[in-house]
Parts: sequence; C-alpha cells; structure tokens
Amino acid sequence: DTEVTQTPKHLVMGMTNKKSLKCEQHMGHRAMYWYKQKAKKPPELMFVYSYEKLSINESVPSRFSPECPNSSLLNLHLHALQPEDSALYLCASSQDLGQFYFGSGTRLTVV
Amino acid sequence: GNSVTQMEGPVTLSEEAFLTINCTYTATGYPSLFWYVQYPGEGLQLLLKATKADDKGSNKGFEATYRKETTSFHLEKGSVQVSDSAVYFCALTLDTGRRALTFGSGTRLQVQP
Repeated sequence: DTEVTQTPKHLVMGMTNKKSLKCEQHMGHRAMYWYKQKAKKPPELMFVYSYEKLSINESVPSRFSPECPNSSLLNLHLHALQPEDSALYLCASSQDLGQFYFGSGTRLTVV
Repeated sequence: GNSVTQMEGPVTLSEEAFLTINCTYTATGYPSLFWYVQYPGEGLQLLLKATKADDKGSNKGFEATYRKETTSFHLEKGSVQVSDSAVYFCALTLDTGRRALTFGSGTRLQVQP
C-alpha cells in the first residue's frame, strides 16, 4: 500500500467555521508534511512532523493548527480562515527522503 | 539557500514531438533531485528521481540525468503523447537541515493531437 489518503476531497467553509483536514498513510513512514498549493503555483511547505513531533513550522499563521495523533495520521485544524487561504492542501509522507508520497489533496474554499 | 529554477511555460508541442524541460538548482551540499507530475485536479506523482551525480532517472519514457557540473536535471522525452499534458515540477531535497522538498515553479506542458 503506497497510498496517502486525504479527506475530504473538497471543503467549503465560512470564515467563522472550524474544520479539520485529515491525512492517513500505512507505509510506516515517520515523516509527514503539509503543503499549500495556490493555483498555478508550486506547493509551499507549511509543516513537517518527524516521529510524531513538529520539526518545521514555516511561519504559518496560527489559524492553521497541525496535529499528529499517531504515526499514521496527520490532521490540520482550521479556524477563522480568510478567503486568501483558499487553496489545495497536500499531505505527503516519506521515510528516508528518497521518495515522497503525496495524497490527492483537499481543495479548500473559504467564503 | 536552496532553490530550483525551471523554464517558463506553457510548453506546447504536437504529439510525438521531442520534449525538454530545463531545470537547474542551487544547493548547499549534495541534493537528491526529483521530477513530479501533476495532472489537472490531482496531487503530485513522482515521475523519476536521482540521488547522486551522473545518475539517470527514467520512467514512462521520461529521462533526466543529474549533472553536478552544470547543476542541472533536465527532463526529456523522445515522443510525447496527449496524455502527457500536465504540470511538471522539478524538486530537490537534502539530508541535512530543512528535510523537505523544495520545488521549482512548475512547467505546464500542453500536447496537441
């Protein structure tokens, strides 16, 4: 199983809502990542978890809150987002930096 | 810092034409290099990779050679198909420091029948 599964695939939320994005992998990878991708742009790194500990936070606003409850799951909690946060949110995992596996993403629209 | 530069797109080709997408990098150390492909509405798929100088990555008719002397990793395919239409990202990672992928800006390829 070389899949990274992200749910939901699409999400529309208001600026006062709280929602969560979920990511799951069962490859035994110990590093997991959140990337944000705006239209016609490359993915931008948001967070890195290594062995379930947050190792990189790329100065992401606090309205995005990551969580890694166990080695297979990665969540991104969203609260009080702005319309400019609308984007494709990609999750990835890797074991040894030799290969990164990406999920198909959650397309988020903030209204 | 580390960075990846790709040629501007879109690249428009006719079916069966030869493809080259240029990619150069700047890195402190010895990076691993990757090409990822993104089809419309989807996530990223690894196309090929190379982990040391002179390595050639290949997959589905695509090839790229890790050239340390020119800090390049150009993507080539001898005969493109309409189904190759997608956005292609060159990327690197290092095993020290910021242990995550750094992407180039992406190159959109459009193949016409």
